[in-house]
Amino acid sequence: NAGVTQTPKFQVLKTGQSMTLQCAQDMNHNSMYWYRQDPGMGLRLIYYSASEGTTDKGEVPNGYNVSRLNKREFSLRLESAAPSQTSVYFCADRPAGINYGYTFGSGTRLTVV
Amino acid sequence: QQPVQSPQAVILREGEDAVINCSSSKALYSVHWYRQKHGEAPVFLMILLKGGEQKGHEKISASFNEKKQQSSLYLTASQLSYSGTYFCGTLGGYGNKLVFGAGTILRVKS
Repeated sequence: NAGVTQTPKFQVLKTGQSMTLQCAQDMNHNSMYWYRQDPGMGLRLIYYSASEGTTDKGEVPNGYNVSRLNKREFSLRLESAAPSQTSVYFCADRPAGINYGYTFGSGTRLTVV
Repeated sequence: QQPVQSPQAVILREGEDAVINCSSSKALYSVHWYRQKHGEAPVFLMILLKGGEQKGHEKISASFNEKKQQSSLYLTASQLSYSGTYFCGTLGGYGNKLVFGAGTILRVKS
């Protein structure tokens, strides 16, 4: 029972390269989220998924795409990385019901040069 | 729509108390509190769902004042392990999902 697992932990990309950040949860939860964290700005929602096969934009979706092909996995793709996408990316999930908080993965530290 | 946290940073000595505030310009229906240690993921502390509700987690407690549209996190007799960045989160924004404040950096010194 690992909770939320993210890979990779660190990544350096060159401007224009693409990559996919992977996230998986083993709690059978419907809701999953991708946030980015930048200094002094807290966590900002990129995309979220309320259930398998559905995704919706968050506050800062430009430059990203997501995929929720099954209940367990929610991936985030950068098609053409830009230096502005240098950030720490967190995946999270949440059980159904209003009494529960988010469980975050350990994060991916991405640098775009 | 981002909730506003205050103070931005606070330094304490072990055993001292601290209060972190979270306020919103919109009506609040629930408030989450998280703690993030340096280089780690945020960890859920507690959620407050009703006005007037108070909760505790070890020596950390919180209150929710619905009328004032704010919540406060109270850290009592602080320990070194309390150091980190504290975030509040409120529902709103896109798809009524959690929107986080910018965080309050708490440093406890021995």
